[in-house]
Amino acid sequence: DAGVIQSPRHEVTEMGQEVTLRCKPISGHDYLFWYRQTMMRGLELLIYFNNNVPIDDSGMPEDRFSAKMPNASFSTLKIQPSEPRDSAVYFCASSLQLYNQPQHFGDGTRLSIL
Amino acid sequence: AQTVTQSQPEMSVQEAETVTLSCTYDTSESDYYLFWYKQPPSRQMILVIRQEAYKQQNATENRFSVNFQKAAKSFSLKISDSQLGDAAMYFCAYRVSQGAQKLVFGQGTRLTINP
Repeated sequence: DAGVIQSPRHEVTEMGQEVTLRCKPISGHDYLFWYRQTMMRGLELLIYFNNNVPIDDSGMPEDRFSAKMPNASFSTLKIQPSEPRDSAVYFCASSLQLYNQPQHFGDGTRLSIL
Repeated sequence: AQTVTQSQPEMSVQEAETVTLSCTYDTSESDYYLFWYKQPPSRQMILVIRQEAYKQQNATENRFSVNFQKAAKSFSLKISDSQLGDAAMYFCAYRVSQGAQKLVFGQGTRLTINP
């Protein structure tokens, strides 16, 4: 079975540019999560969706970050304009709505803002 | 707010030996889940083992087992017969059973396996 698919795997861009990260969750999963991993802050939740609806976006650092889930099989995380401090690994994860189901992670996108 | 603490930034063990990674957490909830995830250099986040707080029996998955002490809010991971492929960052994570689905992660422990 296909796992969570993220693209691109690596992204290098210059400060000020728009960055779009993409995620395809596991088919049938009801929840989708976006996490960010940095050396300083570790792994932290940015936002999560339930049945395509954003539930908690309190982790989104500022207005430059936005996330959408137009359908059950696709989500994007956008940064506009990007800054060097946004450099991190961004993970997407998905899970079933059943109470004891774990989250399954994608391979992450390593983002470098120059 | 819930917090997860891993007090060992780095650990090392000889191949075939046993190692225990520590994790403590703070919560006022009575029903929750605890997880250990492994992150090898390939960057994947791989679920190793999970524990439901209402279960007294410690979870076991092959060479991996946990020591869950609910009163002490402690959740350690024991790896038996360590293998070179076990080298990775290990993250302890917490999630409430109802409501918010987000995982709260510890800072991680880097495990090195010495041949």
